[in-house]
Amino acid sequence: GAGVSQSPRYKVAKRGQDVALRCDPISGHVSLFWYQQALGQGPEFLTYFQNEAQLDKSGLPSDRFFAERPEGSVSTLKIQRTQQEDSAVYLCASSSSSRNEQFFGPGTRLTVL
Amino acid sequence: QQQVKQSPQSLIVQKGGISIINCAYENTAFDYFPWYQQFPGKGPALLIAIRPDVSEKKEGRFTISFNKSAKQFSLHIMDSQPGDSATYFCAASSSGTYKYIFGTGTRLKVLA
Repeated sequence: GAGVSQSPRYKVAKRGQDVALRCDPISGHVSLFWYQQALGQGPEFLTYFQNEAQLDKSGLPSDRFFAERPEGSVSTLKIQRTQQEDSAVYLCASSSSSRNEQFFGPGTRLTVL
Repeated sequence: QQQVKQSPQSLIVQKGGISIINCAYENTAFDYFPWYQQFPGKGPALLIAIRPDVSEKKEGRFTISFNKSAKQFSLHIMDSQPGDSATYFCAASSSGTYKYIFGTGTRLKVLA
């Protein structure tokens, strides 16, 4: 595709609901990253995949957060039992290798009421 | 030690002026320093990046100056235009990892 796409672009959830955020990376990119961007802040690393392997999940804030990339392309970030503090923009980025430029998607803005 | 400190938080510049944004880091293992531009409702887009083997890199109106001994780097936008109005983030990463550590961002407004 032309770039990284994410869906949905906006998600409103009631506290306690589960949500799933999708990322479609640039075709052929082996590396995929998830970041969380709070309002007025810089993105913060959540997790990293190389192909289907999740090599680093050190940034996931709690065990309510789970990410997968089963076939090494599309990735899903799942948040269980959402809390108000989970409200943020979730950005996905992909790269042709871990050392190259990361291309970001437009993000999913999650609002937890 | 993982932080990247960015200043100023906001910046107003007249059209045609020079915009300067500064970042400082502590982790000497960092060896890649990109700058990203972000418009409202969009994801960050890479502007320019530098590695510590050079002290300056220029691409069009954008220049990165890098001071390895001071552990500082800065973005200069020459001949600033209203279309440059956006939020700018510096970032850093190291060969041993791959994740970017971002600064807190600078909101730039260029007056017409």
